[in-house]
Amino acid sequence: EVQLVESGGGLVQPGGSLRLSCAASGFTFSSSWMHWVRQVPGKGPVWVSRINGDGSKTGYAGSVKGRFTISRDNAKNTLFLQMDSLRAEDTAVYYCTREDVPAGLDAWGQGALVTLSS
Amino acid sequence: QSALTQPPSASGSPGQSVTISCTGTSSDVGVYNYVSWYQQHPGKVPKLMIYEVNKRPSGVPDRFSGSKSGNTASLTVSGLQAEDEADYYCKSYADSDTFVFGGGTKLTVL
Repeated sequence: EVQLVESGGGLVQPGGSLRLSCAASGFTFSSSWMHWVRQVPGKGPVWVSRINGDGSKTGYAGSVKGRFTISRDNAKNTLFLQMDSLRAEDTAVYYCTREDVPAGLDAWGQGALVTLSS
Repeated sequence: QSALTQPPSASGSPGQSVTISCTGTSSDVGVYNYVSWYQQHPGKVPKLMIYEVNKRPSGVPDRFSGSKSGNTASLTVSGLQAEDEADYYCKSYADSDTFVFGGGTKLTVL
């Protein structure tokens, strides 16, 4: 069974940093493109970032480019999202997702809540 | 990158068909066949229903179908059932190696 479990969410002040982790199991992690998607409760999902299987290719939404960094540790089957220079508008639930079919996100974690507050 | 445009709401009676549109631009929907659709029930995570415009993952009923014409993609749900009531989001690959979601459509089964 495919499982994605996020951790690292919490309350942080504007301008601060946070690192999210996603532990993956039940599939060949090193072969999968992985994405981060965020969603404000009651609003639609927003794509944040993606990374290819060996970590050599990454992509970011314009709103986070230069502030967020996606990475992975295939030896530990773990995906990361380093978030720096956080802003109030970054408040959301962050989901770790797997791309198993072309551009289709077929597995989602339960989400990690990131709250910006001074 | 602006969100894809979806109608806020759609509705139909059990057994009927309903189509939800998703309008983008020549930088996303219009040039890439990487449109996907997601169903989200309250309190749940999104579920992939359609990928690459019109392909269904295993386990998704064939009542769900997708299509695209120009800058607009569409999701059709045939033979509406009560459990189809949910929010639906489209997503497209876009220029600069990014992705963009739609604003979502709340489907009500009357």
